Amino acid sequence: ETGVTQTPRHLVMGMTNKKSLKCEQHLGHNAMYWYKQSAKKPLELMFVYNFKEQTENNSVPSRFSPECPNSSHLFLHLHTLQPEDSALYLCASSQDIPGLDFTDTQYFGPGTRLTVL
Amino acid sequence: GQQVMQIPQYQHVQEGEDFTTYCNSSTTLSNIQWYKQRPGGHPVFLIQLVKSGEVKKQKRLTFQFGEAKKNSSLHITATQTTDVGTYFCAGMNRDDKIIFGKGTRLHILP
Repeated sequence: ETGVTQTPRHLVMGMTNKKSLKCEQHLGHNAMYWYKQSAKKPLELMFVYNFKEQTENNSVPSRFSPECPNSSHLFLHLHTLQPEDSALYLCASSQDIPGLDFTDTQYFGPGTRLTVL
Repeated sequence: GQQVMQIPQYQHVQEGEDFTTYCNSSTTLSNIQWYKQRPGGHPVFLIQLVKSGEVKKQKRLTFQFGEAKKNSSLHITATQTTDVGTYFCAGMNRDDKIIFGKGTRLHILP
């Protein structure tokens, strides 16, 4: 068990729907991340949060809206998505944001498999 | 549930020595990916292995995928200080579910 949970595990939505992905970490970490992994492709970093503040937005379209109400919870709000947004969305957390030691080692959740029709 | 075990958790090697990290899955994988996270960075994709028994090389790095597609290894020959970091494997099963190993933290002693 990684200590990072994600819900739902699977989600099917239409292009006009609004849905949210949830991530929760039970590790006492300060940094949380959203990644996208399209079919059989490497991870793409989307957002980074540190102490509830967004520190990185990797040129993600505005139809993806992250929210970090506290250090343990991270949401990804979805609206008017496109079929090409279908992918596995992974959440991760680390003790600190990337620095010069190993406290930035990231722990990954199981992911949410998103299908946009 | 399905697990991907990665060993060792930590490894200290003298610069110039070889290093190997191993991933073992409880179930058969459709593919396995390897990532490197440097201190100060995010996980960066290294390689993907798909075929049973596949071996791929990238300069001093050699990646293997077991015949049963349950095991994989990353071997670094003659480590350098730039190799320091955490190496993750990520296995994908036939249901397209991805499981990350916990990573091996590599320290290089000068």
